[in-house]
Parts: sequence; structure tokens; C-alpha cells
Amino acid sequence: GAVVSQHPSWVICKSGTSVKIECRSLDFQATTMFWYRQFPKQSLMLMATSNEGSKATYEQGVEKDKFLINHASLTLSTLTVTSAHPEDSSFYICSARESASYNSPLHFGNGTRLTVT
Amino acid sequence: SQQGEEDPQALSIQEGENATMNCSYKTSINNLQWYRQNSGRGLVHLILIRSNEREKHSGRLRVTLDTSKKSSSLLITASRAADTASYFCATLPNAGTALIFGKGTTLSVSS
Repeated sequence: GAVVSQHPSWVICKSGTSVKIECRSLDFQATTMFWYRQFPKQSLMLMATSNEGSKATYEQGVEKDKFLINHASLTLSTLTVTSAHPEDSSFYICSARESASYNSPLHFGNGTRLTVT
Repeated sequence: SQQGEEDPQALSIQEGENATMNCSYKTSINNLQWYRQNSGRGLVHLILIRSNEREKHSGRLRVTLDTSKKSSSLLITASRAADTASYFCATLPNAGTALIFGKGTTLSVSS
């Protein structure tokens, strides 16, 4: 089955530093990947849609200069949280569709737990 | 943005009982999907139902969709302790490309 690998699974960083999270599709190509954020015991909030070879599409209220997304290849998208602050602490999850059909499910990475101290 | 609302927010049952979770949404959709999340992990796809379908089965799972009421239900039959997890419905709006998730139902199955 389709596998999405996300790394790291957890990271602790100091306030003001930047953190990069990688999302890889291991056995399929993903022209589009989706980045979600999840607060404890809450739902997933879509942050942005990452498009291979072009700029990401950000949801309203998500700062594009704060959350940098790069989708340089068909199997890799990265999310960089720049100048992290404690309020950025959250669970970040990426996902991708195995096929271009909208009637195919999303495959999720295992998420990255970010703690900013 | 959030589209779905699950009901109930939390559900506790005994092994062997059935669990029913409901989801309501607001806009016209292409399809509706149900996902499961174990604590601190990513989501696992359970079942997808298209807007022109009314019911779908997969093993112990049964999903219904009522587009006139903009609602869906997930039934897990003969529940097991291993079914303990959070369950989310997600909709693909007609005009969108990304899934929009509901708030989820936390299911606890005790043995």
C-alpha cells in the first residue's frame, strides 16, 4: 500500500529557531501534498496545499512567511517553521493522494510533534 | 476551515457492542471519508463514500450518506478493544482539492 513517511516524529527546539519537517511518499509520486496541524484532542486544520514545482496554497490565517513549504520533487515536501515560538507547538501531519483522482483516499504520515521552549 | 461536526464527541462502550458515530457537514461534496487516529499517530483511511452512493460496507464498518441532510454515519459492529481510537469524518468539497476534517469522535471500547 501507499506509504507516506514523515520525519522527524518529534522535535524540541528553542524559541526563535527554525525547524524543518520532511514528508516523503515512499512508493508513489505525489504532485500534491497537504499539511495539517492538530492541537491536543482537536481536529486537523488544513494549513496549506503543497504543489510540486510551484508555490504552495495557504489557507486563510496561515502565515506563508512563517510556515515555508517547498515541494521540490514528486516524492518530497518540506515544511519549515521559521522563528518558532511556543504557540507554534503542535502536531503537524502531512498527507498525499496516491492517484490524481479525488476519489482516492489520503495517506498520512505519522506526524511530527513540535515543542518550542 | 472546518466543515464537519461529529456526534457524539466521546463514546464509551463494551466489547461486542456496536458503535455509531454521526457526521454533519455544510457544503456540497464530492465524497466523504472516514479516518481513524490512534493517539499521537497519523490517520488511517477507513472508507470512502461518493456523493452518489448511499451506503457502503467494509468488514465490520458500515457507512451511510444522506446528501439531502448533509450527514453521514459510521457504524462499527461487534466492537473490540483495539477499535479504541478517534474517528474523523472528512469531506471533499465540490470546489476543493483538500479534505476538510470534522472534530472527531473519541471511541473507547472496554473489555
